[in-house]
Amino acid sequence: DAGVIQSPRHEVTEMGQEVTLRCKPISGHNSLFWYRQTMMRGLELLIYFNNNVPIDDSGMPEDRFSAKMPNASFSTLKIQPSEPRDSAVYFCASSRGTGMSNQPQHFGDGTRLSIL
Amino acid sequence: GDSVTQMEGPVTLSEEAFLTINCTYTATGYPSLFWYVQYPGEGLQLLLKATKADDKGSNKGFEATYRKETTSFHLEKGSVQVSDSAVYFCAQGTSYDKVIFGPGTSLSVIP
Repeated sequence: DAGVIQSPRHEVTEMGQEVTLRCKPISGHNSLFWYRQTMMRGLELLIYFNNNVPIDDSGMPEDRFSAKMPNASFSTLKIQPSEPRDSAVYFCASSRGTGMSNQPQHFGDGTRLSIL
Repeated sequence: GDSVTQMEGPVTLSEEAFLTINCTYTATGYPSLFWYVQYPGEGLQLLLKATKADDKGSNKGFEATYRKETTSFHLEKGSVQVSDSAVYFCAQGTSYDKVIFGPGTSLSVIP
């Protein structure tokens, strides 16, 4: 079975540019999560979707960040304009949302983002 | 609020040594508990889980038992291998299918 697919795997861009990260969740999973991982702050939850609807975006750092899930098989995380402090590894994860909190999350391999 | 605490690393062990990584949780109810592993350059992978008190999760020689009385879920392995070198995250399920992760413990196993 295909896992969570993220693209691109690596992105290097200059400060001020728009960055778009993409995610395809596992088929049949109805919960999708975007995380950011850095050495300093560890793993942070940015936003969570259930059935394509954003449920909790309290982790989105500021208005420069936005996320969409137009359908059950695709999500994007956009940063505009990008800043050097946005450099991190961004992970997408999906799970079978049951509301019971007993389903594991399945992670993609991440996008390593470097803002120069 | 809900939280997960685990021993900070890095942990360095010789091959075939016994491994314990401590994990405790704070929750209002009885959450599902998980251990995830992250190898270099990869995303987190589920290692094992337990959904109720006294359950033991096990996988690839790793074990952890859900202890309600001590609110703990310590990870153990009897004999580690070089290939077990990775970062290990303890986690608990919370509302709306979210998972709270601990800070991670880096393990290095030397031959």
